[in-house]
Amino acid sequence: KAGVTQTPRYLIKTRGQQVTLSCSPISGHRSVSWYQQTPGQGLQFLFEYFSETQRNKGNFPGRFSGRQFSNSRSEMNVSTLELGDSALYLCASSPQGSFYEQYFGPGTRLTVT
Amino acid sequence: AQSVTQPDIHITVSEGASLELRCNYSYGATPYLFWYVQSPGQGLQLLLKYFSGDTLVQGIKGFEAEFKRSQSSFNLRKPSVHWSDAAEYFCAVGAPQGAQKLVFGQGTRLTINP
Repeated sequence: KAGVTQTPRYLIKTRGQQVTLSCSPISGHRSVSWYQQTPGQGLQFLFEYFSETQRNKGNFPGRFSGRQFSNSRSEMNVSTLELGDSALYLCASSPQGSFYEQYFGPGTRLTVT
Repeated sequence: AQSVTQPDIHITVSEGASLELRCNYSYGATPYLFWYVQSPGQGLQLLLKYFSGDTLVQGIKGFEAEFKRSQSSFNLRKPSVHWSDAAEYFCAVGAPQGAQKLVFGQGTRLTINP
């Protein structure tokens, strides 16, 4: 089976812009979780989607949003980018009934200038 | 709320030496416990997990971890490290009940001396 794929792998944006990141889960996985990784804050949970519904959400401002499509692919969007949003954004997918069996993608490295 | 502490930010060991990475957690009950490894430019790979049962857990790549309830710890060990083990290691906890999410420690960067 192919692993979790994330596109793009690298992205440079300017402060104030918005960005959309994409995650394709492992085939058959219906849960997709997103994490932000920064040197200062470490790995932090953003949100989780299952069957097109957000089930859990971390402590991030409303500028961070996401969605999931019927094929389980997920996107996250960050509006009005700030310098502090520079990070590695990781997504993970897991099979139904086994949320904690998480398989991570390689991440999208976002740089905000 | 769950929290995870990895007291060692950076550890250096010689190739062939034994390794122990420390992890302490704070949670009202016994959480689910995990160790992940991240190589530069890569995502996270699960090394091992503990849900219940035997407190000594075997994982991939020759790693093991021991859950000690009395110490709220879940330390990762390897008897003999290889140069390829150089990476960053993350301990994480998950709640068996309620909102499901992984809470990660700050990570321990492992350097291997030849």
